[in-house]
Amino acid sequence: AQSVTQLDSHVSVSEGTPVLLRCNYSSSYSPSLFWYVQHPNKGLQLLLKYTSAATLVKGINGFEAEFKKSETSFHLTKPSAHMSDAAEYFCVVSDQLTGGGNKLTFGTGTQLKVEL
Amino acid sequence: SQTIHQWPATLVQPVGSPLSLECTVEGTSNPNLYWYRQAAGRGLQLLFYSVGIGQISSEVPQNLSASRPQDRQFILSSKKLLLSDSGFYLCAWSVWPVTNYGYTFGSGTRLTVV
Repeated sequence: AQSVTQLDSHVSVSEGTPVLLRCNYSSSYSPSLFWYVQHPNKGLQLLLKYTSAATLVKGINGFEAEFKKSETSFHLTKPSAHMSDAAEYFCVVSDQLTGGGNKLTFGTGTQLKVEL
Repeated sequence: SQTIHQWPATLVQPVGSPLSLECTVEGTSNPNLYWYRQAAGRGLQLLFYSVGIGQISSEVPQNLSASRPQDRQFILSSKKLLLSDSGFYLCAWSVWPVTNYGYTFGSGTRLTVV
């Protein structure tokens, strides 16, 4: 079974400084990886996805992630944090379900705090 | 465009009462549908998924059930709620191949069992 590990449960940055949210995956084959963001009491929004095309994936709101097979990592970055980026971020891997469909396996989440 | 509707947004129910959460999708046909639960301080857990009308698969044994009476309708139910059923429930849909579009989640239902 595939899995993801988010290395930091909480990350705090100052507004305007870079953001790095770390994620490592475990997979026996080429995985499909996603980053989702969840604002307080809201649903999940897809930030970006990796599907075995370009290893550097650009997403919404200035976020990007790089798939590194040698390091089994898919870290999420943003050059300059904004107050509105404060939220919980989930690294996710997709796996096929018996009988069809796909199952998303979520990391435990990283709470991003942005300070003035 | 595709949209997903989930209601109610919040719900407070007494222990032992029934539950019905509804999710509908618009703008797509034959989607794969999913119910996830997010307990406090934990990640999301897949509860049920459906690849077609009347087809329901359960990922974990629990006090809940799911049904798909129509192509774009997915219902989460319980006959008698437990305190441990409290959490944030999210409906989601995807189409094949999921790697092209990812999943789209509803806005969630915050269920508190008292």
